[in-house]
Amino acid sequence: NAGVTQTPKFRILKIGQSMTLQCTQDMNHNYMYWYRQDPGMGLKLIYYSVGAGITDKGEVPNGYNVSRSTTEDFPLRLELAAPSQTSVYFCASSYPRGIDNEQFFGPGTRLTVL
Amino acid sequence: GQQLNQSPQSMFIQEGEDVSMNCTSSSIFNTWLWYKQDPGEGPVLLIALYKAGELTSNGRLTAQFGITRKDSFLNISASIPSDVGIYFCAGPQGGSEKLVFGKGTKLTVNP
Repeated sequence: NAGVTQTPKFRILKIGQSMTLQCTQDMNHNYMYWYRQDPGMGLKLIYYSVGAGITDKGEVPNGYNVSRSTTEDFPLRLELAAPSQTSVYFCASSYPRGIDNEQFFGPGTRLTVL
Repeated sequence: GQQLNQSPQSMFIQEGEDVSMNCTSSSIFNTWLWYKQDPGEGPVLLIALYKAGELTSNGRLTAQFGITRKDSFLNISASIPSDVGIYFCAGPQGGSEKLVFGKGTKLTVNP
């Protein structure tokens, strides 16, 4: 199992450009999540999905969009990149069973918006 | 919403020393998770705690679920250079499948 994979690893965007961050998991997890990590600020939830076709906003959804057409894939879209979106983005997945909700993380995408 | 407060924010220690960090909340949590993030990588789960008062070990790591359900502690014994990283506590938000994370404790180990 590859676990959770993310592409690209690094990206530099100009203000106003758009891009899609890719996330794929091969563990047949129904739940998937997108977080952003700013220095010293921990992880903030952007969007999450409880299954194919179902998505919901997290704590910081503005400026982002997501879709979930398959169990495996959960891409994150930035439509008009802004410097405030410079961050490290992590995708995660889980298969909650009662109180067990371990989330498995990808290696991250480091995005700089200039 | 629920918040997790981690302390200390950072630690600088010598190899071989023991380390202790904690996580507190004003709300009750039914699960406590401790993650470690190596530099340039995503977080990885170290220890999961499911019961108040529970003490769980994973090698040199020991974590405890506080009796009040509002705190948890992580201890690392005999630290080594590869312990360097950021340690996060996390718990289910409002009992849901979403997790809330602390801001992390950054550990530096000097050889």
